[in-house]
Amino acid sequence: GAGVSQSPSNKVTEKGKDVELRCDPISGHTALYWYRQSLGQGLEFLIYFQGNSAPDKSGLPSDRFSAERTGGSVSTLTIQRTQQEDSAVYLCASSLEGSQETQYFGPGTRLLVL
Amino acid sequence: AQKITQTQPGMFVQEKEAVTLDCTYDTSDQSYGLFWYKQPSSGEMIFLIYQGSYDEQNATEGRYSLNFQKARKSANLVISASQLGDSAMYFCAMRRGYQKVTFGTGTKLQVIP
Repeated sequence: GAGVSQSPSNKVTEKGKDVELRCDPISGHTALYWYRQSLGQGLEFLIYFQGNSAPDKSGLPSDRFSAERTGGSVSTLTIQRTQQEDSAVYLCASSLEGSQETQYFGPGTRLLVL
Repeated sequence: AQKITQTQPGMFVQEKEAVTLDCTYDTSDQSYGLFWYKQPSSGEMIFLIYQGSYDEQNATEGRYSLNFQKARKSANLVISASQLGDSAMYFCAMRRGYQKVTFGTGTKLQVIP
């Protein structure tokens, strides 16, 4: 079946502009995660949607970052007034719920803020 | 809070040799899952292997095996017969119940021909 998809694959924007990144999880997966990965670095957790529960937003670095998940499926990560330090790869992952369930990652969106 | 520690930022291994990538974790929960992912230079995150906390046998997937020592809270990844294509970043991760997944900082493995 189809895996996790993300769009766009690459995004170049100017400092101060808003950007929207999209994630389509695997059908039926109730858990959805957003991560940020700077060049050569590890994964930085941003936000976690778990079924119908309130999302865990503890990883969002500032109030310029927000995310929503409509209808328990597609998610959009929005970065307002982008800064150069926002340049990174943004990875989305989805899974079923539970400690034994594997996360599956999308290919990522490479964001470059000029 | 749960925590994953990978103490080896970089490792080298000779082609065809075995290599062990270390991972320790910290949780007071009895039920949890441990995962390893590979991230080649292309950037994709590839799931390798899973170990459940109640699994009595060490997980194996082809050339990958997970050396699970519950009392020591370690979940080391063993790659046998290393290949050049194994050169990548490797991340250890843990998940408790319905909590978010926690990742380690990663180990960069380079296979030398």
